[in-house]
Amino acid sequence: QQPVQSPQAVILREGEDAVINCSSSKALYSVHWYRQKHGEAPVFLMILLKGGEQKGHEKISASFNEKKQQSSLYLTASQLSYSGTYFCGTEASGTYKYIFGTGTRLKVLA
Amino acid sequence: DVKVTQSSRYLVKRTGEKVFLECVQDMDHENMFWYRQDPGLGLRLIYFSYDVKMKEKGDIPEGYSVSREKKERFSLILESASTNQTSMYLCASSWALEKDEKLFFGSGTQLSVL
Repeated sequence: QQPVQSPQAVILREGEDAVINCSSSKALYSVHWYRQKHGEAPVFLMILLKGGEQKGHEKISASFNEKKQQSSLYLTASQLSYSGTYFCGTEASGTYKYIFGTGTRLKVLA
Repeated sequence: DVKVTQSSRYLVKRTGEKVFLECVQDMDHENMFWYRQDPGLGLRLIYFSYDVKMKEKGDIPEGYSVSREKKERFSLILESASTNQTSMYLCASSWALEKDEKLFFGSGTQLSVL
């Protein structure tokens, strides 16, 4: 039931791009993305709503395909500050039950 | 700014002890959540609450219970701690989820059960 993220981990050089995927076995109403830096609490990045609407944050953007029950996070021209663990999150519609994906560890090297 | 406070950053307990993890939020949020975080498994939902005195099981409730006597406070209880409950525990809160409100997290409690 927990959304599956891929890849599990990725290492980049500064300036490189990355894509993180989130796939669910159940219908998604909306998808949130969070980033957790080492030793810190997860912080909200953005929300994706039905209709494939993309919402961006700095050089980070995302897409949502509700038919495929997938969301992808795009990190463009990575910066050192992008390092951390990224989680997708979603609520099982109408249940208040909010669950997260398996997480993707991202490391950006100078 | 919204503040979610977890009472302890690090906690060491013995097997069989009863353990209380406390979480307090200061923004009158309806929803509160407890997750545990383990490497490779992401954040897994233990219990959640959408109102005072209301509680619902998440995906991994076995070995845990919760209490929400006041809106701002959500406690996680390990009735008899076991070594497999060694983990990072994160509390979160939000306004109405049906309005796509985001979650705010506490800093976490790293629990070690020896």
